[in-house]
Amino acid sequence: EVQLVESGGGLVQPGGSLRLSCAASGFTFRNYYMNWVRQAPGKELEWVANIKPDGSDTYYADSVKGRFTISRDNPKSSLYLQMNSLRAEDTAVYYCARGFDHMFDFWGQGALVTVSS
Amino acid sequence: DVVMTQSPLSLPVTLGQPASISCRSSQSLVHSNGNTYLAWFQQRPGQSPRRLIYKVSNRDSGVPDRFSGSGSGTDFTLKISRVEAEDVGVYFCVQGTHWPPVFGPGTKVDIK
Repeated sequence: EVQLVESGGGLVQPGGSLRLSCAASGFTFRNYYMNWVRQAPGKELEWVANIKPDGSDTYYADSVKGRFTISRDNPKSSLYLQMNSLRAEDTAVYYCARGFDHMFDFWGQGALVTVSS
Repeated sequence: DVVMTQSPLSLPVTLGQPASISCRSSQSLVHSNGNTYLAWFQQRPGQSPRRLIYKVSNRDSGVPDRFSGSGSGTDFTLKISRVEAEDVGVYFCVQGTHWPPVFGPGTKVDIK
């Protein structure tokens, strides 16, 4: 059974940093693209970042480019999102989502990030 | 970026009755490889999104056959043949044909 479990969410002040993790199991992690997707309160889902199976390429939404970094550790079957220079508008539930054939399939349960003073 | 719209945004339904949600894209979702990367997700209250349909009309494993997807080009539909209580939640479409992937705003389905 595919499982994705996010951790690392919490309350952080504007301008601060936070690192999210996503532990994957139930599939061969190193074979899949992985994504971060977020859902701000009352807003639409927004794709945030994507990383190739071998970690060689990464892609970001314009709203986070230069502030967020996606990475992965294939031997540990883990995905990460380093978030720096956080803003109030980054407040959201962050999901890790597996990518396959131009689409997301499985999602984790989400991690809440709140940016507030 | 592609813009995805859905209608209605709120859909009160009667148990046992059909329901239909429309999703429209600002550009054709036909990929150069001939596939159309349009999916539907269900998000029940307090849960993470679950994919129901991929590539317009393919049902995911374990999805009840009362859910069906159809459409082409820029116009797509998710139908529930007979709504059950467990179908309450938000349904959204997402396109994966053009970069970046874009989600629709979601349609909230609840019981009358």
